[in-house]
Amino acid sequence: GIQVEQSPPDLILQEGANSTLRCNFSDSVNNLQWFHQNPWGQLINLFYIPSGTKQNGRLSATTVATERYSLLYISSSQTTDSGVYFCAVRLNQGGKLIFGQGTELSVKP
Amino acid sequence: GAVVSQHPSWVICKSGTSVKIECRSLDFQATTMFWYRQFPKQSLMLMATSNEGSKATYEQGVEKDKFLINHASLTLSTLTVTSAHPEDSSFYICSARDRGSGISYNEQFFGPGTRLTVL
Repeated sequence: GIQVEQSPPDLILQEGANSTLRCNFSDSVNNLQWFHQNPWGQLINLFYIPSGTKQNGRLSATTVATERYSLLYISSSQTTDSGVYFCAVRLNQGGKLIFGQGTELSVKP
Repeated sequence: GAVVSQHPSWVICKSGTSVKIECRSLDFQATTMFWYRQFPKQSLMLMATSNEGSKATYEQGVEKDKFLINHASLTLSTLTVTSAHPEDSSFYICSARDRGSGISYNEQFFGPGTRLTVL
C-alpha cells in the first residue's frame, strides 16, 4: 500500500520562529490534507491541497504532486500552534484517507 | 468548514458491557463516514468505512462482530463496541466526507473523538 512519511517527527521552536514540515508519499494521490490535532484530540482541517499552493494566515502549504511531496509552512509560530500535525492522502476518489505518523510541534514562550 | 459531532466525548465502562458512539454531520450530507482509532502518541488507524444504507467495510484485523457500525442516514453513523475489554480502551474518532458541490467537496472532516476507558 501507499506509504506516507512525515518529517521531522518532533520539533521544538521558540515563539516567533518559522518552520517547515514535510510529507512524502509513495504513489500518485487524488487528495492530500493537512490537519492539526490539538491537545484535546480534535483534528482541525488546515488545508485540502492535492496540488498547488494555498495560504491561510500564518500557514501555507505546497504540494508538488509530480514529485510526491507536500510542505506545510508555519510562520511566526505561537504557543497555540503546539500539537501534532498530520498529513493524510487518498489514492482515488472513493478510497480511504491514509495518515502519516505526524510531526509533534512544541512552541515555547 | 463542515462540522462533525461525536457523542459521548468520553465514557468509562465495565469489562463485558457494550458502548455506543454516535457520529453526526451537522451541516452537510455524508454518504460515507469513517471510524478511526488512535492510541497514545500514535497516528490514526482506519477501522472501517461506513456507507449510508449498506454494510460497513472493515479494515484487515478489525473484528466486525466486535465493532458494529450502522449508517442509517446521511447524517448519522454509530459505532458499538460490544463486550468491551480493557484492550479496547482507546480514542475513537469518526470522520465524514463532504460529497456536496460546495467548496468543501471531497474534503474529509473529523469529529472531536470519544475517549473510551474499559475497567
